[in-house]
Amino acid sequence: AQSVAQPEDQVNVAEGNPLTVKCTYSVSGNPYLFWYVQYPNRGLQFLLKYITGDNLVKGSYGFEAEFNKSQTSFHLKKPSALVSDSALYFCAVRRSGSARQLTFGSGTQLTVLP
Amino acid sequence: EAGVAQSPRYKIIEKRQSVAFWCNPISGHATLYWYQQILGQGPKLLIQFQNNGVVDDSQLPKDRFSAERLKGVDSTLKIQPAKLEDSAVYLCASSPMDGPRSSYEQYFGPGTRLTVT
Repeated sequence: AQSVAQPEDQVNVAEGNPLTVKCTYSVSGNPYLFWYVQYPNRGLQFLLKYITGDNLVKGSYGFEAEFNKSQTSFHLKKPSALVSDSALYFCAVRRSGSARQLTFGSGTQLTVLP
Repeated sequence: EAGVAQSPRYKIIEKRQSVAFWCNPISGHATLYWYQQILGQGPKLLIQFQNNGVVDDSQLPKDRFSAERLKGVDSTLKIQPAKLEDSAVYLCASSPMDGPRSSYEQYFGPGTRLTVT
């Protein structure tokens, strides 16, 4: 069985400061890892993914994430937070290969304080 | 490019009633997913279609939930009869077929918020 843990329900950060949203995963085989963001009353929007290659992946809106195989982590980061980054963030994992189920974490509410 | 469309956006029903949700995926996307998102939790996959065939329905409560994807395009998800614990947001997503050139991203609709009283 595969799973995702997002250990922090809530992360608060001041505008302009760096932010980190943590994610660890468990999956058999090679993982495909994703971050999605959800704004109120909206569906999920894709931010970035790791499939293969460089461990540091860059995505939309200045976000990046680092794949760490030994620690089974895929933390989301941004060097300088904006108030508009405030939203609910979900990490997700699936096995490599075709037609695999995507499993989401429970989400982390990010609040950027002006 | 038009996104994933879902209707209705909101639905309130009493327990033991039936309800249906509709999803129109992005044109050309072979794979369609239905997720259930209970408040405070991440989305949970209910069923995954590839074209008009079911790929994974292992987490679908088949005694009360059913889904179909006729002609490999639109899809409907039905609950009959509804229970209080079915109150959730039902998300539809679509993606191109997995393969060497796939991006593996899923594109989500706005969801249908179901309240069962």
